[in-house]
Amino acid sequence: EVQLVESGGGLVQPGGSLRLSCVASGFTFSRYWMSWVRQAPGKGLEWVANIRRDGIEKYSVDSVKGRFTISRDNAKNSVDLQMNSLRAEDTAVYYCARVSWELGGGFDYWGQGTQVTVSS
Amino acid sequence: SYVLTQPPSVSVAPGQTARITCGGNNIGSKDVHWYQQRPGQAPVLVIFYNSDRPSGIPERFSGSNSGNTATLTISRVEAGHEADYYCQVWDSSSDHYVFGSGTKVTVL
Repeated sequence: EVQLVESGGGLVQPGGSLRLSCVASGFTFSRYWMSWVRQAPGKGLEWVANIRRDGIEKYSVDSVKGRFTISRDNAKNSVDLQMNSLRAEDTAVYYCARVSWELGGGFDYWGQGTQVTVSS
Repeated sequence: SYVLTQPPSVSVAPGQTARITCGGNNIGSKDVHWYQQRPGQAPVLVIFYNSDRPSGIPERFSGSNSGNTATLTISRVEAGHEADYYCQVWDSSSDHYVFGSGTKVTVL
């Protein structure tokens, strides 16, 4: 059974940092791109970042460029999101998702999310 | 940047058909995916490649994509279909994924 479990969320002051982690199981992690998606309170889904199977190719939404870094460790079946210089508008539930190119790039499995709150 | 436009809400009576549109410039040239998100839950992929269903998704869910509009159709709607629905594409010109703003489906 495919599982994605996020951790690392919490309350942080503006300007602070957090590192989110997503641990995968039930599939060959190194064969899949991975993604982070967030959802602000009462708002829609927003794609945050993607990382290729080997960890070399990465993409991210403009609003987090220079502040957030996605990385992965295929030996540990994990993908991380390092978030620096956090702002109030980064407050959201952050989801880890598997990208399936067999399904045209759709996100076929999602974690349950971890809450990030940026507030003083 | 590429923009996907969805109606904020769609209301439908039980047993009827719900159609949710997703508008974008020449979206017919892109692969569109659709997600269902029930309150307090993670999204679930219900349509990929415009019209294909992942394993386990019932035939009531179907999709189409042409010109500037993609459509998710839910046939014989029931209370369990109440949720938010999002369309998604990969915009190769910006190397970004883009989600639509979401449509809340209400079963009357």
